[in-house]
Amino acid sequence: DGGITQSPKYLFRKEGQNVTLSCEQNLNHDAMYWYRQDPGQGLRLIYYSQIVNDFQKGDIAEGYSVSREKKESFPLTVTSAQKNPTAFYLCASSIDVMNTEAFFGQGTRLTVV
Amino acid sequence: GDSVTQMEGPVTLSEEAFLTINCTYTATGYPSLFWYVQYPGEGLQLLLKATKADDKGSNKGFEATYRKETTSFHLEKGSVQVSDSAVYFCALTFNNAGNMLTFGGGTRLMVKP
Repeated sequence: DGGITQSPKYLFRKEGQNVTLSCEQNLNHDAMYWYRQDPGQGLRLIYYSQIVNDFQKGDIAEGYSVSREKKESFPLTVTSAQKNPTAFYLCASSIDVMNTEAFFGQGTRLTVV
Repeated sequence: GDSVTQMEGPVTLSEEAFLTINCTYTATGYPSLFWYVQYPGEGLQLLLKATKADDKGSNKGFEATYRKETTSFHLEKGSVQVSDSAVYFCALTFNNAGNMLTFGGGTRLMVKP
């Protein structure tokens, strides 16, 4: 089945450690996105990528980094510079940047202790 | 900038009650409008969409009409079920800006049997 897979579903890390969240899609989509969701709030865009080897900062990119070496993969690294990293992280993809329908993964809940 | 405002939740209804979740937006131009649904512990799923004024999106008994004059996209369902309990997000995007969705804060719906 085609879709977006995020792993792991739950992730715990100690404060000061970098952590990488995985996002893989087999939909042959060009565009991929990372959103952050905090309790009771909407989604905020962290980074997006329109095509392989290209990515752009979203509204809240500070403390995060990404790479897009393969079309299928868009990993997100939460660095120690992110002041409040505990959140629910959602990855999404769309056919291309002109296509309005985004498909979302199941999310990764990151807890930093 | 563009923004989406939703009614605050939680909205608590009895099974078979009528549902309305209000959504209004602020944007320059005419965006495409969406409703996404998030079930507990999961990612977002597209529920319905409308791409131009007076369009009505519908799916699974839910409906929303794109009202340009009131800049609104209210979600309605005539008879809710317990299985409709979820968080509902209103969102907008402009095709020519890429698929950068702007989300509202989400409205939690709880349906009691």
